[in-house]
Amino acid sequence: DTAVSQTPKYLVTQMGNDKSIKCEQNLGHDTMYWYKQDSKKFLKIMFSYNNKELIINETVPNRFSPKSPDKAHLNLHINSLELGDSAVYFCASVSPWRESSYEQYFGPGTRLTVT
Amino acid sequence: DQQVKQNSPSLSVQEGRISILNCDYTNSMFDYFLWYKKYPAEGPTFLISISSIKDKNEDGRFTVFLNKSAKHLSLHIVPSQPGDSAVYFCAAKRRGSSNTGKLIFGQGTTLQVKP
Repeated sequence: DTAVSQTPKYLVTQMGNDKSIKCEQNLGHDTMYWYKQDSKKFLKIMFSYNNKELIINETVPNRFSPKSPDKAHLNLHINSLELGDSAVYFCASVSPWRESSYEQYFGPGTRLTVT
Repeated sequence: DQQVKQNSPSLSVQEGRISILNCDYTNSMFDYFLWYKKYPAEGPTFLISISSIKDKNEDGRFTVFLNKSAKHLSLHIVPSQPGDSAVYFCAAKRRGSSNTGKLIFGQGTTLQVKP
């Protein structure tokens, strides 16, 4: 039983295309995140949603648009892909005030390669 | 401005010996710290955490030490096992961000445990 799942695991596409990455968690958490791990290996938060409401929006190009249809799903849509978007994208979830542990659960990652 | 730093990109130890992974931070508002372990092609998994009101937390072979005056924490693994070979991330939560659960991650240290 996968706690946090992402699809696809690998995504190769050309510059200028539009693509989406999907994330689902079955942990009953109400807060979900998208992270980007670039070539320097830093894990940088991009967005966070709580119960379908955007609560964190870091300095991310507006070509990136998260969408949360319900609290178990957080999808990431990227328009007009650029070479610099190549990275591994991780989804994560937690219920910070319920568990008071701040331990985020991560998905397996989606490796995006833009050619 | 990287608020959480792991200055050693890699560490190699012999099986059975102690592994010590270090993490420095700059923001005195951080009140909760976590260590994650990441295997290749997988998402990070939670390992151990510590609140800023403590200076030590132990869980089996893993112990985290926090030195607030030095803004430094370390993860000790004793004894080290080949299965511990992975990338270890340090993460911190800022006081006042409990509603978002936002974590700031370091860039990771790759640990290799040699048989």
